[in-house]
Amino acid sequence: GQSLEQPSEVTAVEGAIVQINCTYQTSGFYGLSWYQQHDGGAPTFLSYNALDGLEETGRFSSFLSRSDSYGYLLLQELQMKDSASYFCAVRPPYNTDKLIFGTGTRLQVFP
Amino acid sequence: DTAVSQTPKYLVTQMGNDKSIKCEQNLGHDTMYWYKQDSKKFLKIMFSYNNKELIINETVPNRFSPKSPDKAHLNLHINSLELGDSAVYFCASSQDPGGPLVDEQFFGPGTRLTVL
Repeated sequence: GQSLEQPSEVTAVEGAIVQINCTYQTSGFYGLSWYQQHDGGAPTFLSYNALDGLEETGRFSSFLSRSDSYGYLLLQELQMKDSASYFCAVRPPYNTDKLIFGTGTRLQVFP
Repeated sequence: DTAVSQTPKYLVTQMGNDKSIKCEQNLGHDTMYWYKQDSKKFLKIMFSYNNKELIINETVPNRFSPKSPDKAHLNLHINSLELGDSAVYFCASSQDPGGPLVDEQFFGPGTRLTVL
């Protein structure tokens, strides 16, 4: 089976850099995705890593290392609006349309 | 224009009742999903439909019955509601079944179900 573990909460101040880790135990997957969810809102797609390495999208970057069973989301120049929950997710190879989500990390950005 | 819409946004009902949640997507996607998010914000897939055909049923009690009249709609009917069914239910859709674009899923605004 698959399990993806994330820290439950991370706090930071505006302008700082924060890294949200995702460690997983899985027999295999196509890639690692990240989703953002504001309180009371819907999850929204942020990024996808099909291959090992760093993917950059503006202030957000995502990293994957399959050999280390590890990935992370890096948020730079933090803004108050980045306060939200962040989820990593994988798609297992035996069921190609299913996403398994991590436990979620609540990020609080302070002024 | 709303990409994925759900109704109702809030649903408060008594134990034992039957209720439905509707979902529509105007993105032209082939695959639609239902997810359940519990009070600890854990997000878990319940069902997946591809072009009106059930693909995934994640050991959900048979009180939950999805229906897809066409590929743009996926409704969820719940019979004999229980206290433990209280959660936020999200509909989602994606294109390219089985391909890499499945990882980018578009979620509806959610339906907060409270069973009293």
